[in-house]
Amino acid sequence: QKEVEQDPGPLSVPEGAIVSLNCTYSNSAFQYFMWYRQYSRKGPELLMYTYSSGNKEDGRFTAQVDKSSKYISLFIRDSQPSDSATYLCAMRTQGGSEKLVFGKGMKLTVNP
Amino acid sequence: SAVISQKPSRDICQRGTSLTIQCQVDSQVTMMFWYRQQPGQSLTLIATANQGSEATYESGFVIDKFPISRPNLTFSTLTVSNMSPEDSSIYLCSVGDGVAEHFGPGTRLTVT
Repeated sequence: QKEVEQDPGPLSVPEGAIVSLNCTYSNSAFQYFMWYRQYSRKGPELLMYTYSSGNKEDGRFTAQVDKSSKYISLFIRDSQPSDSATYLCAMRTQGGSEKLVFGKGMKLTVNP
Repeated sequence: SAVISQKPSRDICQRGTSLTIQCQVDSQVTMMFWYRQQPGQSLTLIATANQGSEATYESGFVIDKFPISRPNLTFSTLTVSNMSPEDSSIYLCSVGDGVAEHFGPGTRLTVT
């Protein structure tokens, strides 16, 4: 079993839809959970991160962590064509030198 | 967050040759990393670039193939040696802030 599982999609939605992106993980020691957005031919850009469990909101984006289920989600409200990108989840344990573990990435297309 | 630049942004190289990729950061950082992203795939960590000492390589990556330099806290290079078509990929550097990593724009390498 991979440490981090993410459905690679692709996912296609109409503009204005609510998008839900998810990852599951197996390592209960993960404490930091991140979402990156990667546009075509660009480097990944950190969208947001959460520490331990709970929700975090930033504009149209909400990140949720459910440590009991080892499940994280990213919700995008009122999706826009500019949200079309690949979204990667990543996570790490508490130690400052521990490497990030990435999901495969989900390719999202928002159609106008 | 730190501004990260990479040179070159892309290159086409012949098999058997070597290419050195540069990563420059606009502020001093302790943690720098090099990743490979093959077409349609997630990110694979090649090595951690340590300032003043040898890089720490991940399983499957060796110094003879991917020599790394880290002469100071704002600069690192990755060399892809004796290239083959299988080395065609995007190479990314990143810097750590103690929690997340921030990525450069990437170098798109094609080996013919």
